[in-house]
Amino acid sequence: KAGVTQTPRYLIKTRGQQVTLSCSPISGHRSVSWYQQTPGQGLQFLFEYFSETQRNKGNFPGRFSGRQFSNSRSEMNVSTLELGDSALYLCASSLEGGKGLEQYFGPGTRLTVT
Amino acid sequence: AQSVTQPDIHITVSEGASLELRCNYSYGATPYLFWYVQSPGQGLQLLLKYFSGDTLVQGIKGFEAEFKRSQSSFNLRKPSVHWSDAAEYFCAVGATGGYNKLIFGAGTRLAVHP
Repeated sequence: KAGVTQTPRYLIKTRGQQVTLSCSPISGHRSVSWYQQTPGQGLQFLFEYFSETQRNKGNFPGRFSGRQFSNSRSEMNVSTLELGDSALYLCASSLEGGKGLEQYFGPGTRLTVT
Repeated sequence: AQSVTQPDIHITVSEGASLELRCNYSYGATPYLFWYVQSPGQGLQLLLKYFSGDTLVQGIKGFEAEFKRSQSSFNLRKPSVHWSDAAEYFCAVGATGGYNKLIFGAGTRLAVHP
């Protein structure tokens, strides 16, 4: 079974621009979570989607948003990029049910803001 | 508030030596606990998980972890380390309210000497 895929793997943007990152979950997984990883703050939860609905959101400004499509693929968007948004963005997918918290991560998208 | 503490930022061991990585959590109820490993430039790979039952859990790559409620700990162990185990290791707890939100520790970077 194919793992979680994320595109693009690397991205360079300029301050003030916006960016969209994509995540395709493992086949059959209906939940997609997003995390930001930085050297200073570590791994922080952004949000989680299930059946096209955002169920949980971390403590990030409104510039960070996401959505999920009917095929469970998810995108996250960051508007008005700041230098501090440079990070590795990780997507994770999981089944719903008894093992719903067991998350499988993609390789991440490395975003650099200049 | 829920939190995870990994007291050791960096650990160096010799190949063939035993390994123990420490993890302490703060959580009101029975926690869902995880260990993930991240190789440079990669996403996170699930090593093992604890949901309930037997407090000694076995994972992939020869790792095991023991849940100790009295000490609020979930330490990761391996009897004999291989050079390929060099990576960063993250302990995580499933957050209250579920919905697939993980709270991560800061990570322990493992170096292995030949």
